[in-house]
Amino acid sequence: KAGVTQTPRYLIKTRGQQVTLSCSPISGHRSVSWYQQTPGQGLQFLFEYFSETQRNKGNFPGRFSGRQFSNSRSEMNVSTLELGDSALYLCASSYLAGGNTGELFFGEGSRLTVL
Amino acid sequence: GENVEQHPSTLSVQEGDSAVIKCTYSDSASNYFPWYKQELGKRPQLIIDIRSNVGEKKDQRIAVTLNKTAKHFSLHITETQPEDSAVYFCAASISNNAGNMLTFGGGTRLMVKP
Repeated sequence: KAGVTQTPRYLIKTRGQQVTLSCSPISGHRSVSWYQQTPGQGLQFLFEYFSETQRNKGNFPGRFSGRQFSNSRSEMNVSTLELGDSALYLCASSYLAGGNTGELFFGEGSRLTVL
Repeated sequence: GENVEQHPSTLSVQEGDSAVIKCTYSDSASNYFPWYKQELGKRPQLIIDIRSNVGEKKDQRIAVTLNKTAKHFSLHITETQPEDSAVYFCAASISNNAGNMLTFGGGTRLMVKP
């Protein structure tokens, strides 16, 4: 079974630009969540999607948004980039059964550098 | 919301010694506590998890204990090996139909010296 795939792996943007990151979950996984990883803040939850619906959202400004498609693939978008948005963005998919939180399978991440 | 604190931030042990990492959480409704290991340059991977209906769980050299009253849980690694060197993250969440949202601790960098 293929793992979680994230594209692009690396990207460099300048302040004020916007970026879209893509995530393809493991086949059969309907939950996709996004995390921001920085050296100072660790892993911080951005949002989670299940069956094309955002079910949970972390404490990030409205510049951070996402969506999920009918095939469970997900995208996240960051508009008006700031220097502080430089981070590794990790996507994770999960097979939820009976409402129990399940193991997260992470992708390798998209490393965003904002200049 | 939930807040998870993790200590220590770095831990250095000699090969063969034991390592203990501790986490505390704030939301008494949390009932699912996983631990993830992230090797340098790689993705986090689940190594063990525990739900609030048990106090301890063991998997070979790794064990996790949970004290719901005190709201803390710990990871124990025995007979450490160089390949255990990595960053370890604890997390807490409320496991229900509302979704999959983990609050992570700040991470512990474990270094096992041969």
